Amino acid sequence: GAGVSQTPSNKVTEKGKYVELRCDPISGHTALYWYRQSLGQGPEFLIYFQGTGAADDSGLPNDRFFAVRPEGSVSTLKIQRTERGDSAVYLCASSLSGSLTDTQYFGPGTRLTVL
Amino acid sequence: AQKVTQAQTEISVVEKEDVTLDCVYETRDTTYYLFWYKQPPSGELVFLIRRNSFDEQNEISGRYSWNFQKSTSSFNFTITASQVVDSAVYFCALPFTQGGSEKLVFGKGMKLTVNP
Repeated sequence: GAGVSQTPSNKVTEKGKYVELRCDPISGHTALYWYRQSLGQGPEFLIYFQGTGAADDSGLPNDRFFAVRPEGSVSTLKIQRTERGDSAVYLCASSLSGSLTDTQYFGPGTRLTVL
Repeated sequence: AQKVTQAQTEISVVEKEDVTLDCVYETRDTTYYLFWYKQPPSGELVFLIRRNSFDEQNEISGRYSWNFQKSTSSFNFTITASQVVDSAVYFCALPFTQGGSEKLVFGKGMKLTVNP
């Protein structure tokens, strides 16, 4: 079956611009996660959705970052007034229900470059 | 809080060599899971294994095997008879329960290069 998909695969933008990154989770998965991976590092948690609601947004670095999942499926990560330090690979993952016993399956990521 | 340490940052081997990737973790949880993921050059994180803290038996899947030792808080991964296609960055991860989520805490990863 289809895995987690993310679009675009690459995004180049200028400092100060607004960007949206999209994640389409595995069908039927209620839990959705966003992570950010900087060069040479492991992924770091940003936000977790259970259904339509953001159950844990403790990893968002500041209020320029926001994410939505209006219908409990596709999610969009939004970054306002981008800064060069936002350059990274943004990974999306989904799991069946978000429980400890579930496995998170990752998408291919969106590589964001802020010039 | 959870912590995962992958002390090796990069390893280079010749095809058919065996290689072991180390993972040491810290957790206060009595029940937990451990994961290994593979990230090939394409960038996608590929799930390899999930292990329950109650099960300390070694696991083997083809050329891959995992050694979980609770006494030393280690979950090491061995690739037997490595192949060029094994070249990737490998991550060990541990879930951290907070705020209703089971977010994964990753190590920094270990880059494996298998040369022909």
